[in-house]
Amino acid sequence: KAGVTQTPRYLIKTRGQQVTLSCSPISGHRSVSWYQQTPGQGLQFLFEYFSETQRNKGNFPGRFSGRQFSNSRSEMNVSTLELGDSALYLCASSLELYYEQYFGPGTRLTVT
Amino acid sequence: AQTVTQSQPEMSVQEAETVTLSCTYDTSESDYYLFWYKQPPSRQMILVIRQEAYKQQNATENRFSVNFQKAAKSFSLKISDSQLGDAAMYFCAYRTSMNRDDKIIFGKGTRLHILP
Repeated sequence: KAGVTQTPRYLIKTRGQQVTLSCSPISGHRSVSWYQQTPGQGLQFLFEYFSETQRNKGNFPGRFSGRQFSNSRSEMNVSTLELGDSALYLCASSLELYYEQYFGPGTRLTVT
Repeated sequence: AQTVTQSQPEMSVQEAETVTLSCTYDTSESDYYLFWYKQPPSRQMILVIRQEAYKQQNATENRFSVNFQKAAKSFSLKISDSQLGDAAMYFCAYRTSMNRDDKIIFGKGTRLHILP
């Protein structure tokens, strides 16, 4: 089976712009989670989707949003980008809730 | 609120030796999951080992094993016969199994260096 894929892999944006990141889970996986990874804050949970429903969300401002489609693919959107949003954004999928998560390679977002 | 603490930001071990990475967590829940993930340099994060809190037996995966002390809220990872490919950032993670606010919480990580 193909692993979790994330597109794009690298992205450079300017402050104030918005960005959409995409995640394709492993075939058959119904749960998708998003994380932000930075050197200072480490790995922080953004949100989790299961069967197109957001189950929970981390402590991030409303500028961060996401959605999951019927084929389990997920997107996350960040509006009005700030310099502090520069990070590696990781997507992870699992077969069901509470199962092992399989991570994608991440999208490296740089905000200038 | 649940927290996960990895007190060793960096560790080094000689190839073929054994190393133990520490992880402590704080929770008031009785049912939960604990994980160790490995993130090699510039490579994807992968699951190393998983432990269900209700299981008393420590999980083992080949050269990787855990020492799960529920009362002490400790979950250390032991890597035996260390290999160069074990060099990575290791993250300890916690997830409650209760269906409310059950996001995964990660520790800050321990960077493991393998000395040839």
